[in-house]
Amino acid sequence: AQTVTQSQPEMSVQEAETVTLSCTYDTSESDYYLFWYKQPPSRQMILVIRQEAYKQQNATENRFSVNFQKAAKSFSLKISDSQLGDAAMYFCALNAGNNRKLIWGLGTSLAVNP
Amino acid sequence: DAEITQSPRHKITETGRQVTLACHQTWNHNNMFWYRQDLGHGLRLIHYSYGVQDTNKGEVSDGYSVSRSNTEDLPLTLESAASSQTSVYFCASSESGKETQYFGPGTRLLVL
Repeated sequence: AQTVTQSQPEMSVQEAETVTLSCTYDTSESDYYLFWYKQPPSRQMILVIRQEAYKQQNATENRFSVNFQKAAKSFSLKISDSQLGDAAMYFCALNAGNNRKLIWGLGTSLAVNP
Repeated sequence: DAEITQSPRHKITETGRQVTLACHQTWNHNNMFWYRQDLGHGLRLIHYSYGVQDTNKGEVSDGYSVSRSNTEDLPLTLESAASSQTSVYFCASSESGKETQYFGPGTRLLVL
């Protein structure tokens, strides 16, 4: 079975500081993709970053980067220079195999303190 | 710009009524998905489609149905609404051969 676990239900960070959100996953597939989605209070699901498992290099998108540890099946999200607009629920998701479906974690609620 | 829309954005209905939630995407994506989001459960897959006339059940499909008559639309029907179906519903789509899903704004459904 494929699973995604986010062990931090809530986190907080001071504005301009750096925060790391954790995600671990399990799959027997060798070809898979990992995602971080952001859900602000508006409830819109927004893609933050994606990582292909076959790529060694960690993905980055501006202030967002990941630490992909394939052997440990860990996929953490680092947010640098946190901004008030980063406050949201963050979901980690896995797409593995040929079924094109996403397996979701339960989310981490991030608060950004001014 | 291409987009994915859902309607209505908010809906209140009564137990036992049939309800249809619309999802329309202009990306020409073959893959479309319906999720529900509830506290403590994250996002759960209801139904999905890989193309016209193709539909598949997800992990929580009981009480829901979909049909895919064209590429752009995947309406979700609650045959006989139940209070347990009070939730926020999201539609998503992805391109064939691509794994990234793009989401609509969601529909908040309240069943009284």
